Amino acid sequence: EPEVTQTPSHQVTQMGQEVILRCVPISNHLYFYWYRQILGQKVEFLVSFYNNEISEKSEIFDDQFSVERPDGSNFTLKIRSTKLEDSAMYFCASSETRITTGTDTQYFGPGTRLTVL
Amino acid sequence: AQSVTQLGSHVSVSEGALVLLRCNYSSSVPPYLFWYVQYPNQGLQLLLKYTSAATLVKGINGFEAEFKKSETSFHLTKPSAHMSDAAEYFCAVAASGGNEKLTFGTGTRLTIIP
Repeated sequence: EPEVTQTPSHQVTQMGQEVILRCVPISNHLYFYWYRQILGQKVEFLVSFYNNEISEKSEIFDDQFSVERPDGSNFTLKIRSTKLEDSAMYFCASSETRITTGTDTQYFGPGTRLTVL
Repeated sequence: AQSVTQLGSHVSVSEGALVLLRCNYSSSVPPYLFWYVQYPNQGLQLLLKYTSAATLVKGINGFEAEFKKSETSFHLTKPSAHMSDAAEYFCAVAASGGNEKLTFGTGTRLTIIP
């Protein structure tokens, strides 16, 4: 069964450094998402991406964050200058169609645990 | 804006007993409701989804949920718990006709007592 993959599974970085989290969505999917989960808290939406542009972003997704689909298969989340509070599990998700128009859903990857020291 | 509230951050049931995980939603438009499960060190896996086609939704692994508009609830149940059901369960909502983001609850950790 096709699945969303994410690399690395765990990333440790120093405060102020740039990190890139990588995701390979399911191949025929068109909608892409990033969520994060700070330890002990709820899963929070960061950004959605469709047709090579951001379709929606949350207030968390400030100028330090960016997303890109560089080569038609990967979907990346970049944090330009990491802060301690960026430490979290970051989940990538994808869907073939809009999830609010039928039976489709978002398929999640296993996550990347980001630790900022 | 939409939101979900999950009552009980931890639920323990005996193997073979009924599982009931509670979720209440708030949405100004007809909602799409989801239950996801997260096993240790894994991603979120869809259990079931409500799309307004039927109020009783059957999902994988014997789980089902009933949409009750009058109670703004979407509780998850399973008649007989199995040890393999031990996991974290998340309720989520998306607004029909709106954006595609999922808004999650805080999760309920289910423990199965042998």
